[in-house]
Amino acid sequence: SQQGEEDPQALSIQEGENATMNCSYKTSINNLQWYRQNSGRGLVHLILIRSNEREKHSGRLRVTLDTSKKSSSLLITASRAADTASYFCATDTQGGSEKLVFGKGMKLTVNP
Amino acid sequence: DVKVTQSSRYLVKRTGEKVFLECVQDMDHENMFWYRQDPGLGLRLIYFSYDVKMKEKGDIPEGYSVSREKKERFSLILESASTNQTSMYLCASSPPSGGIYNEQFFGPGTRLTVL
Repeated sequence: SQQGEEDPQALSIQEGENATMNCSYKTSINNLQWYRQNSGRGLVHLILIRSNEREKHSGRLRVTLDTSKKSSSLLITASRAADTASYFCATDTQGGSEKLVFGKGMKLTVNP
Repeated sequence: DVKVTQSSRYLVKRTGEKVFLECVQDMDHENMFWYRQDPGLGLRLIYFSYDVKMKEKGDIPEGYSVSREKKERFSLILESASTNQTSMYLCASSPPSGGIYNEQFFGPGTRLTVL
């Protein structure tokens, strides 16, 4: 059961530019998370935003959440070649489930 | 540093073989997960365990079983491997959080090829 959907599916930018990725989901949530996956590796947690939060920052990352539109965005500022990876949004479902439902991911390429 | 390890990075097996994928975490987490990742399909949950000897089917359990005899170890078993089980398999763990703060920690993945 796919919950989150990232948009765009692929993005190619130059180093130093900002990258914005969007995620839409379908049902009510407790929180939404973003993960990064370098090629051929496991996923790494980046940031979590709770349903009662609208914006959160962590270093060069900024996440927003609009529960009325059931959407989130991840902004990476001043991108670096090392940010090249796939990015996934993941949502839980209300009711205390420990499970997450991941989107299909989007590929970010940062060109040096 | 938290650690989730998987027994193999790459594995090649033949159709019909019984395959064991092992996952070990050192964080004393109650929850452990097995996913498979395929191009264009993202991560799909195969099985989930929330305690020793407890398991719950995910979205695609057919052709798989799991074993959790110890808290730190969660094994995925392909009883009779088939070519459509060629995939990247990812293990993850998380502490109990009541669904409020359920960050998952992932292993490096096992790329399984079934010939």
